[in-house]
Amino acid sequence: NAGVMQNPRHLVRRRGQEARLRCSPMKGHSHVYWYRQLPEEGLKFMVYLQKENIIDESGMPKERFSAEFPKEGPSILRIQQVVRGDSAAYFCASSQGLAGTDTQYFGPGTRLTVL
Amino acid sequence: DQQVKQNSPSLSVQEGRISILNCDYTNSMFDYFLWYKKYPAEGPTFLISISSIKDKNEDGRFTVFLNKSAKHLSLHIVPSQPGDSAVYFCAARGAQTGANNLFFGTGTRLTVIP
Repeated sequence: NAGVMQNPRHLVRRRGQEARLRCSPMKGHSHVYWYRQLPEEGLKFMVYLQKENIIDESGMPKERFSAEFPKEGPSILRIQQVVRGDSAAYFCASSQGLAGTDTQYFGPGTRLTVL
Repeated sequence: DQQVKQNSPSLSVQEGRISILNCDYTNSMFDYFLWYKKYPAEGPTFLISISSIKDKNEDGRFTVFLNKSAKHLSLHIVPSQPGDSAVYFCAARGAQTGANNLFFGTGTRLTVIP
């Protein structure tokens, strides 16, 4: 019973490089969410996707950040030209997208460090 | 604008006693509430949830209470065990059509003392 998978678990990038974070949802889940957690803070919503569609990107920074969930393969969160302030833990969650009580299950996270 | 607040950053409880973690929210449109437990370097693990049409939900040692008029919910753990030591996050979901994102509190670190 594989849960939400994320890779890599740790990612180190230098300022100006690109970071690509991957998320495979739980089996049977078609809804994917990305959250970011800064040190000593709670998780902050970034983007909500279904297969091939971005449903809600209201939490996504306007520049340098993008997300996709293609028909085949994992969801990707892409950060271009990373800066030190992008250092954080990035968590992916998935759900079945049920009406009413739809529970999100989280992956182990990717810890991004920007040098 | 922190719509979900956990005002106690930490809580210490003796093993076997009750742990009560509190959460307040400001948005009356939230319709679904969840508690997650998180260990260091791991993702949040779902514990228990409650719909806004209920005031109590119980699952084993965990009970969540919802007081809509006070915009307050709490998680009770009885009896507390050392393995319960972790950071607990309260989360809430908005009721707007198509909105499925969760708003998280800043967490409460629970330490259960053996």
